[in-house]
Amino acid sequence: EIVLTQSPTTMAASPGEKVTLTCRASSSVSYMHWYQQKSGASPKLWIYDTSNRASGVPNCFSGSGSGTDFTLTINPVQADDIATYYCQQSRESPWTFGGGTKLELK
Amino acid sequence: EVQLVESGGGLVQPGRSLKLSCAASGFTFSNYYMAWVRQAPKKGLEWVATISTSGSRTYYPDSVKGRFTISRDNAKSSLYLQMNSLKSEDTATYYCARGSSVDYWGQGVMVTVSS
Repeated sequence: EIVLTQSPTTMAASPGEKVTLTCRASSSVSYMHWYQQKSGASPKLWIYDTSNRASGVPNCFSGSGSGTDFTLTINPVQADDIATYYCQQSRESPWTFGGGTKLELK
Repeated sequence: EVQLVESGGGLVQPGRSLKLSCAASGFTFSNYYMAWVRQAPKKGLEWVATISTSGSRTYYPDSVKGRFTISRDNAKSSLYLQMNSLKSEDTATYYCARGSSVDYWGQGVMVTVSS
């Protein structure tokens, strides 16, 4: 099973800041997907295939990476971006999620 | 409009069984891999089961392998999860999910395993 490790677990940011969330895979994967989940809601696909924004996702979000290291960048952060972000791989079964990064407002 | 609507959740005793259903609409169900994903209270997401378009291939993590069975009825645009030998650690919200990069999620259904 491919284990995905996200860091940091929790991050506090001020509006206007640039933040970078990291996801590291225990084995090389072809691409990474990212989800945004707000409290009490179902997750939403945010970034797919490493760098493609899902429908309706603002262009302040970007994804990059390859091999075992992937990042989700928000620049600039806005209050509406406060949520938990999960990475996910579908290269190898069982598909797995990272533990999530909770983004808070400073 | 794509919709995934789960049902069948509830309170169940340890060791008992429960079957979840997901009614899909708004897309050609038979064209998509489908999956179940769960989230324990205040915890992260966990992939529970995946099924191929025809239903011939299924995949499970070790945590549920041998206890859970995913199935589908393409004629009814429906997805199922049969859960046997339930444990307290299976307590979670269960989401019906479309695709390997999940572009649509259901609203989730709560399963509580407790005596």
